[in-house]
Amino acid sequence: NAGVTQTPKFRILKIGQSMTLQCTQDMNHNYMYWYRQDPGMGLKLIYYSVGAGITDKGEVPNGYNVSRSTTEDFPLRLELAAPSQTSVYFCASRTSTDNYGYTFGSGTRLTVV
Amino acid sequence: KQEVTQIPAALSVPEGENLVLNCSFTDSAIYNLQWFRQDPGKGLTSLLLIQSSQREQTSGRLNASLDKSSGRSTLYIAASQPGDSATYLCAAWGNQGGKLIFGQGTELSVKP
Repeated sequence: NAGVTQTPKFRILKIGQSMTLQCTQDMNHNYMYWYRQDPGMGLKLIYYSVGAGITDKGEVPNGYNVSRSTTEDFPLRLELAAPSQTSVYFCASRTSTDNYGYTFGSGTRLTVV
Repeated sequence: KQEVTQIPAALSVPEGENLVLNCSFTDSAIYNLQWFRQDPGKGLTSLLLIQSSQREQTSGRLNASLDKSSGRSTLYIAASQPGDSATYLCAAWGNQGGKLIFGQGTELSVKP
């Protein structure tokens, strides 16, 4: 049982480039989330999804896009990368019931130069 | 708007000491509260989940309490060990979609 898998683990982008951060989970969780963590700060929600075909904005969605075509996958797209997007990105998932907590991936460390 | 605050930001204790980490939140209408551990350069590991109907949860040397009326949660670590050194994050579950609102974390260092 792999849990939540994120790829890549590290990436350096040049300003203006685009990339997709991959997230997949094998727990059949309906709910999936993308968070970013800046140094010394807590995590902030970028986008979330409550099921395939349904996505919604979080607290800091500007500069990002998501899609949810399957239950397992929730990729995060960065268009026109900016230095302000330098951060560590975490994907998380949970069941639709509230008895169990969140499961987080190991993160993608992104640097935009 | 829900805000979550953790005090202290950093804590250094000698091995064997019992300690308490504090978490406060501004909106008592939270659904659940979850404590996480984060090791340097790593992801988040769930420690304890306290559902809204519960007042505390225990796992081994860890005990977390939740007082919604006062807007506080505490994480108690008994007989601390150097392996407990990490950043501890608390997160409040909102009512809409169960979105997590995180505190900034407490960085714990346990000295041998």
